[in-house]
Amino acid sequence: GDSVTQMEGPVTLSEEAFLTINCTYTATGYPSLFWYVQYPGEGLQLLLKATKADDKGSNKGFEATYRKETTSFHLEKGSVQVSDSAVYFCALSDQGGGADGLTFGKGTHLIIQP
Amino acid sequence: EPEVTQTPSHQVTQMGQEVILRCVPISNHLYFYWYRQILGQKVEFLVSFYNNEISEKSEIFDDQFSVERPDGSNFTLKIRSTKLEDSAMYFCASSGDRGLGGYTFGSGTRLTVV
Repeated sequence: GDSVTQMEGPVTLSEEAFLTINCTYTATGYPSLFWYVQYPGEGLQLLLKATKADDKGSNKGFEATYRKETTSFHLEKGSVQVSDSAVYFCALSDQGGGADGLTFGKGTHLIIQP
Repeated sequence: EPEVTQTPSHQVTQMGQEVILRCVPISNHLYFYWYRQILGQKVEFLVSFYNNEISEKSEIFDDQFSVERPDGSNFTLKIRSTKLEDSAMYFCASSGDRGLGGYTFGSGTRLTVV
């Protein structure tokens, strides 16, 4: 079945550091890929998405590129802020493979220190 | 910005009791979902709902679970006889396009079974 693997956390960085959170996937179809963010006490918010190979999703300074050859969708940000502290989830939607809903990774807790 | 609203935010119930978790999806969305997240684990798909019927359900969604859209605005998840292992955060989500553009999640209901 489909699966998403993302790096274990917590990831602790200093403000203005470069961020990479790795995400790889397996899917039977041709999935759409997503990053969701969960701030403390809140629900899951869509951060960015990509629906086909080589698409780059971007939002709020975050970027991720859909790499079909490496089945990856790594999240990057050039300069993180304290307000970026949250849990980040990589997810896929594989409707082409017959699946409804999203398959999530375990989440990566990001802590940004001033 | 339109929101998915979930109530209550926290529910404590005794083992064996029935609980109903409530959600108000975005008004013009047609696809509705329930997910759960056991503490420290990944977010898991439970069920999707479209056109007043279940379109897909996971292995987790057994006979103890049911969903309903009793009127034009609410979408509920019922657990008939709760077990300790049902303790989790339950997220409702909705989508206007079967998730191609992403899903809008609610803030979740934390269910604690004692």
